[in-house]
Amino acid sequence: EAQVTQNPRYLITVTGKKLTVTCSQNMNHEYMSWYRQDPGLGLRQIYYSMNVEVTDKGDVPEGYKVSRKEKRNFPLILESPSPNQTSLYFCASSLRGTRRAETQYFGPGTRLLVL
Amino acid sequence: SQQGEEDPQALSIQEGENATMNCSYKTSINNLQWYRQNSGRGLVHLILIRSNEREKHSGRLRVTLDTSKKSSSLLITASRAADTASYFCATDELAGNQFYFGTGTSLTVIP
Repeated sequence: EAQVTQNPRYLITVTGKKLTVTCSQNMNHEYMSWYRQDPGLGLRQIYYSMNVEVTDKGDVPEGYKVSRKEKRNFPLILESPSPNQTSLYFCASSLRGTRRAETQYFGPGTRLLVL
Repeated sequence: SQQGEEDPQALSIQEGENATMNCSYKTSINNLQWYRQNSGRGLVHLILIRSNEREKHSGRLRVTLDTSKKSSSLLITASRAADTASYFCATDELAGNQFYFGTGTSLTVIP
C-alpha cells in the first residue's frame, strides 16, 4: 500500500532533550516536506526536500533540522526542544513537488508535547 | 508570511444543504489544491485546480478560482454527516518550491 509513515505517533518529552521524528514513504517520491499544525494557524511548512541531499527551509525552520540521505526517508530532528514546539507534525511527499500539479500525500501525524 | 486565509473559520449546516468555503492567498500561483482533514488526522487531497482554470468539478465538489482576486471557493453540494471535517486550501509559489496552506474551515454537518 502506498503510504507515508511517521514515528512515533505520540511523544512527550522535556525541554532540551534531543528527539527525532522519522518519516518514510514507499512511493519513490522526490519531494518530501514537514509541516507543523497549530490551532488557528493551519499548516506551516518547516523544511522541504526536492531530492536526496537537497533540503531547504520553509516558513518556520527555527529549532529544527532535517536530512535526506535516502530518497524514502526524511527525519525531523529537534536538537533542543522547547515548549513552543509543542504541536502536531505532519510529513508529506509528492512525486516531484511544486509547479507540477501534483497532490501531496500526508502521514498520520505526530503529536508532540514538550514540557 | 504568504500563508492564505480561509473563510469562514467555522461552518455548521444541516445534512442535505450546500457548504461553501472560501480561500484567499497572497502571491501568484501555479496551482491551488483543497485538502480535507478529519479530527487531527492526516490531510487527504480532494481536488486540484490549475491557475489557467476557472472551475473544476469532482463528484459533489465544485471549485472555482479567480486569480485576479487571488481567491478560490470550494462548494460541497448535498452535504452529508460524513463531510464533517476541516478543509484547507494549499497553494504553491509561481517560481518557488514551497507550499502554503490556509488556516482552514471547520465544517460540521448536522444529521
